[in-house]
Amino acid sequence: DAGITQSPRHKVTETGTPVTLRCHQTENHRYMYWYRQDPGHGLRLIHYSYGVKDTDKGEVSDGYSVSRSKTEDFLLTLESATSSQTSVYFCAISRDSSTGELFFGEGSRLTVL
Amino acid sequence: KNEVEQSPQNLTAQEGEFITINCSYSVGISALHWLQQHPGGGIVSLFMLSSGKKKHGRLIATINIQEKHSSLHITASHPRDSAVYICAVFGETSGSRLTFGEGTQLTVNP
Repeated sequence: DAGITQSPRHKVTETGTPVTLRCHQTENHRYMYWYRQDPGHGLRLIHYSYGVKDTDKGEVSDGYSVSRSKTEDFLLTLESATSSQTSVYFCAISRDSSTGELFFGEGSRLTVL
Repeated sequence: KNEVEQSPQNLTAQEGEFITINCSYSVGISALHWLQQHPGGGIVSLFMLSSGKKKHGRLIATINIQEKHSSLHITASHPRDSAVYICAVFGETSGSRLTFGEGTQLTVNP
């Protein structure tokens, strides 16, 4: 199994508080992705990274920021959490963008009250 | 209309049956992925295809680039195959972004 871990796995927080989710990999893969999964929408891309300090927005990036200061860590931050950001968040890694196999983390369930 | 459409949305089968899940897409692609998600949430990559056919155990994935269509087949289905199966594509012009289908919920009864 690919070495990819997410933390925390579960979090309950209140509206307006900041939240940071961490994705850590031990595979030295170049590409890292943050997705959210909601009923009726499937998986949607929030942000992705194609190298250290190189990131780009996905289709649902509003309200989220990311940082990648080293290859192994990709952080997703909700500056001020809202109830609409209640979701399950998945991190994924890939050696290449379109031709590499994807490996997913176990997911982080976030509830914003 | 979504760029990636899966059918059926839900599928119930008896153990031992041959199962087919379909994926149609509307854009030119560089690769297509089939993913499996079991209850409890973990997502596993089953196949990555850009042409032809791949087989792994009881699972077979095929793709027809001209028809923009892929199928996932499960032979001799088993209750442990019960999961959501997700098709995802890398569009030729989408850079590093995958587009996902909404998934097919498969239930295999003993």
